[in-house]
Formats: sequence, C-alpha cells, structure tokens
Amino acid sequence: GQSLEQPSEVTAVEGAIVQINCTYQTSGFYGLSWYQQHDGGAPTFLSYNALDGLEETGRFSSFLSRSDSYGYLLLQELQMKDSASYFCAVRSPRGARQLTFGSGTQLTVLP
Amino acid sequence: DTGVSQDPRHKITKRGQNVTFRCDPISEHNRLYWYRQTLGQGPEFLTYFQNEAQLEKSRLLSDRFSAERPKGSFSTLEIQRTEQGDSAMYLCASSPAGDTYGYTFGSGTRLTVV
Repeated sequence: GQSLEQPSEVTAVEGAIVQINCTYQTSGFYGLSWYQQHDGGAPTFLSYNALDGLEETGRFSSFLSRSDSYGYLLLQELQMKDSASYFCAVRSPRGARQLTFGSGTQLTVLP
Repeated sequence: DTGVSQDPRHKITKRGQNVTFRCDPISEHNRLYWYRQTLGQGPEFLTYFQNEAQLEKSRLLSDRFSAERPKGSFSTLEIQRTEQGDSAMYLCASSPAGDTYGYTFGSGTRLTVV
C-alpha cells in the first residue's frame, strides 16, 4: 500500500518562509502533488513533481527527491491568507489515476 | 468555465435512508473522481471515471455505494441504507488527460447521517 507522512501543524509569522515536508512509501511512484485547502473550502491544486528537483510557482515551490522518497512544499513571503491545510499526494500504483493523500498539515500564519 | 459544481451542498438524512449526490465537472475534462473526506484527514479515493466508463473503484467502497456517469458528462453518487459512519464531505473532482494536471475539486456535499 501507500503511506504519506507530513507534520500535523506548522506555525509561522507573516513574511516568513515555511517548509512543509512529506515522506512517502509506495511500491510504485508516479509523482508527488500538493494541494491547499482552506477551512470549509475545496482542495486546490498547487504543484506536481514527477522528477527530482525544485519546481517554482510564484511564492510557492515544491521539491522532490525520489531516492529519499521525500518532498517538500516551500512557501515564501507568507501571508495571512496562506493559513490553510496542505496535503501531499501520490498516485497509487494499484490504480493508474487515483491519488492517495496525506493527512494534511495545518499551517497557521500569525501577524 | 464555472468549475466543478456539486449539489446539494449539505444533506442531512436519517440512518437507513438512501441519498444521491450530483457532480457537474468542467466540461472539457474527461476524467472524474469521487473522494470522501472526514475532519482532519485527507481526501480518500472512492471511484474514478474516464468519460462514461468507471475504471477504478476503491476496495473500501461497500456495495451500498454506487456511482454513474451517463454520457460522460455529470456524475451521481448514491449511498443506500446510510449509516452514521457515512457522515463525511463527499468531494467530486475532474481533470483533463495528462499526468501534470491536477484535479479541480468541487466544494463538496456535506452528508450528516442522524
């Protein structure tokens, strides 16, 4: 099966940089995705890494190391609106399309 | 493009009743997914359609759950003989073909079984 580990909570102040880590175990790997979800809202796709390295999209970057089964989401210049839950997800080898999500990291941005 | 729409937003039902949820995906997306999310957890996969074909189904999905996507457009998820353990947010998502595209999720249907 697949399992993902990410911290349950992270707190940072406005303007800071925060890194949310994700380690995964899966018998086959098809890419690591990140989603953001505000309270009561829908998950929103942030990024996808299939190959090792850093992908940058504005204030958000995502990193993947396949040899370490590890990735992280980096949020820079934190804003209050970044307070949300962040989920990493991997594609299951059992099915070609289904994603397995981690339990999520609740990010709180303080003024 | 109005995004993924789900109806109803909230549903309260008595244990043992049947409920049906509807999802309208983004029209250009041929892939449609149903997920379930409980408080403090990530979304949990239920089933996947490519066009009208149901190609994947979670082993966790009991035979009380059924989903359809007639004509490859909207989809419905039915839960028969609801149980209190079915209380959750039911999320629908769609995506275009291609690995690099993420899902676009709808706002979900919150089911409460009393």
